[in-house]
Amino acid sequence: QQQVKQSPQSLIVQKGGISIINCAYENTAFDYFPWYQQFPGKGPALLIAIRPDVSEKKEGRFTISFNKSAKQFSLHIMDSQPGDSATYFCAASTSYDKVIFGPGTSLSVIP
Amino acid sequence: NAGVTQTPKFRVLKTGQSMTLLCAQDMNHEYMYWYRQDPGMGLRLIHYSVGEGTTAKGEVPDGYNVSRLKKQNFLLGLESAAPSQTSVYFCASSWGGLGETQYFGPGTRLLVL
Repeated sequence: QQQVKQSPQSLIVQKGGISIINCAYENTAFDYFPWYQQFPGKGPALLIAIRPDVSEKKEGRFTISFNKSAKQFSLHIMDSQPGDSATYFCAASTSYDKVIFGPGTSLSVIP
Repeated sequence: NAGVTQTPKFRVLKTGQSMTLLCAQDMNHEYMYWYRQDPGMGLRLIHYSVGEGTTAKGEVPDGYNVSRLKKQNFLLGLESAAPSQTSVYFCASSWGGLGETQYFGPGTRLLVL
């Protein structure tokens, strides 16, 4: 009920390709779905986030697709670059008191 | 603007020792959080605060205590450290709760022997 599943665990993509990371949640009380990017030795930083009243949000090369009925959401990184190599975490939260993070996806973008 | 800062950056403790991790933010945020990050498990919320003088339990609060005596500071205490508390600890802050952007500090790596 509180778990957020994330796949794949690791991903290797060629430069210029599309990176896709998927997440699934169980608790229908969640109403905020952010994606965080984390570089080694650093704290996570918000990349993009979506609320369940929209099915897609795009910011530059990053897009979240959200399927409320399936309780799934995904991150698409278009034109992936070596600088995108990092660990990506999805999360699902209520507005105030609950947040569950996925276990993370290690993305490597190779030239 | 330093954002969110954490001290210390790294610490080694022996089992049973106590310590306090300090988090400071200069963004005037009401909400502050403490997380732990373990390999393969993402981040887990330990405790959080919705304002000066208030704290609440998160997902994994056992073995930790917190205090928010000043709006800009959030302290995480370990009264009697255990090897299971070996982790990387992150502090974060936000304007308006978990449904808003959280700004994370650089982390504190804690090793309990």
